[in-house]
Amino acid sequence: DTEVTQTPKHLVMGMTNKKSLKCEQHMGHRAMYWYKQKAKKPPELMFVYSYEKLSINESVPSRFSPECPNSSLLNLHLHALQPEDSALYLCASSPKWGAGQETQYFGPGTRLLVL
Amino acid sequence: SQQGEEDPQALSIQEGENATMNCSYKTSINNLQWYRQNSGRGLVHLILIRSNEREKHSGRLRVTLDTSKKSSSLLITASRAADTASYFCATDADDMRFGAGTRLTVKP
Repeated sequence: DTEVTQTPKHLVMGMTNKKSLKCEQHMGHRAMYWYKQKAKKPPELMFVYSYEKLSINESVPSRFSPECPNSSLLNLHLHALQPEDSALYLCASSPKWGAGQETQYFGPGTRLLVL
Repeated sequence: SQQGEEDPQALSIQEGENATMNCSYKTSINNLQWYRQNSGRGLVHLILIRSNEREKHSGRLRVTLDTSKKSSSLLITASRAADTASYFCATDADDMRFGAGTRLTVKP
């Protein structure tokens, strides 16, 4: 199984809502990532989890809260978002994190619209 | 700051032609990767080239790496309309950040 799944595919939320994005992989990868991508821009790294521990937080606002319950799951909890947070949110995984790291496998993304 | 920077930003060619995209980076790397993204979808890994390799092939893809110039190129031969996508390079340095990408359009 070389697939990273993300749910939901689309999400519309108001600025006062609380929602969560979910990501799952069963490749035994020990590194998982969240990226944010605006239209016609490259993916921007948000968070990296390595062995279920948060390794990188790219100064992301606290209204985004990541969680890694186990080695296969990665969540992104959303609260009090702003319209400018509307974007495609991509999850990825790789065998490991660090120098010489290997291929990242991406999910299809969640298209988020904040009204 | 961006580690990989691609050029051109946009490229439009006819089906059957070759497409060449370039990527430059700033610091020493262990490997460089190329990814493709169809509109609004996830990224798909195309090819990884290690710092001790100069050229690598995969089907219609040819990637070169020049560590002295800190640059890489991706060549797609005999392009097809289905190759229309954005192409990104990423290095393992600087936490695998992606460059701005090249938007390739292949006209049938």
